[in-house]
Amino acid sequence: DAKTTQPTSMDCAEGRAANLPCNHSTISGNEYVYWYRQIHSQGPQYIIHGLKNNETNEMASLIITEDRKSSTLILPHATLRDTAVYYCIVRVTDSWGKLQFGAGTQVVVTP
Amino acid sequence: ETGVTQSPTHLIKTRGQQVTLRCSSQSGHNTVSWYQQALGQGPQFIFQYYREEENGRGNFPPRFSGLQFPNYSSELNVNALELDDSALYLCASSLSFSTDTQYFGPGTRLTVL
Repeated sequence: DAKTTQPTSMDCAEGRAANLPCNHSTISGNEYVYWYRQIHSQGPQYIIHGLKNNETNEMASLIITEDRKSSTLILPHATLRDTAVYYCIVRVTDSWGKLQFGAGTQVVVTP
Repeated sequence: ETGVTQSPTHLIKTRGQQVTLRCSSQSGHNTVSWYQQALGQGPQFIFQYYREEENGRGNFPPRFSGLQFPNYSSELNVNALELDDSALYLCASSLSFSTDTQYFGPGTRLTVL
């Protein structure tokens, strides 16, 4: 079973910041938080990941709470091309490192 | 540097047939993971190959099998196809297993009639 909880859907206005929440209250100390997105019928696209500290790259920022029980993915200036299903994943640190996807959040960016 | 590629893009088979899907990993990546994504659901882990050996397996029956070749490309084979096998099949490559980031290909859409 997926170890994360995300809202089913959310809307965002083009040009505004999109803040996507994720709860992972049972996360272990050595498990990473990964974010992927999937545009309709395409392969998932890696966005960002982090362990404890906040992270930023050219696509997004990841804010992880101090207790690591939740995180927020921030798309700073949403565009129509950001419309996708966003998956928050706690990376299982077994010998395989498999990704356990949940249902994700359907984000719709509107003009 | 090319990314992960998969072939074919689409495939239609009938129940009981066998199918082979192919994946070329990103340059320098020695680990390939396969996922099945049914319509409206998130991808589910099938298995992973690391340096030509199966490194881990999800909750899929033995009729799902795979191979990894010396160049780290991979195949997913499904025997005795069932209607429920209709799905998007995704492969992802990574530098190694464990915590290295997995990069996905575009997927193969399999329809079983």
